[in-house]
Amino acid sequence: EPEVTQTPSHQVTQMGQEVILRCVPISNHLYFYWYRQILGQKVEFLVSFYNNEISEKSEIFDDQFSVERPDGSNFTLKIRSTKLEDSAMYFCASSANGNTIYFGEGSWLTVV
Amino acid sequence: QKEVEQDPGPLSVPEGAIVSLNCTYSNSAFQYFMWYRQYSRKGPELLMYTYSSGNKEDGRFTAQVDKSSKYISLFIRDSQPSDSATYLCAMSLSGSARQLTFGSGTQLTVLP
Repeated sequence: EPEVTQTPSHQVTQMGQEVILRCVPISNHLYFYWYRQILGQKVEFLVSFYNNEISEKSEIFDDQFSVERPDGSNFTLKIRSTKLEDSAMYFCASSANGNTIYFGEGSWLTVV
Repeated sequence: QKEVEQDPGPLSVPEGAIVSLNCTYSNSAFQYFMWYRQYSRKGPELLMYTYSSGNKEDGRFTAQVDKSSKYISLFIRDSQPSDSATYLCAMSLSGSARQLTFGSGTQLTVLP
């Protein structure tokens, strides 16, 4: 069964550093998303991406964050100048039609 | 008032029981409703997707939507220990690249 794959599964970074989280969405899906889940809290929407551009973003997704689809298969989330409060599980997701959305296993980011 | 409210539990039932999980929401513009299952430190796994009021059945799972009451439910019949997980309701507005708004999740334990 096709799945969304994410790397790394866990990353520890020092405050102020930049991190890039990588995702390979399900092949032939057109909509891509990043969500995050702070430990013990709700899953929160960050950004959606369609047709090579951001289609929606939340208040969380400020200038510190950026997304990119550098080639036909990868979808990345870059977090600049990381803060302690960026520590969370980051989920990539994809959808063929914007209806049924499938999530990856997540990248656990720890900022120290 | 929170947009999506979900009883966090924890809910503990004996194997074979019927489980009822519920969410209420305040935004009547939500049109699409999903249930996800999340095991600890894993990504949400899509269980059910509905967009109209009424019932939708898939195996042991039944999703129920009542848009007039702004209330959705997930029923699990013949519950199994492998059903032990956190169940998340999620919903979205109409339009493409829909962003999901999640409930806080209900932690379910099915005892053998």
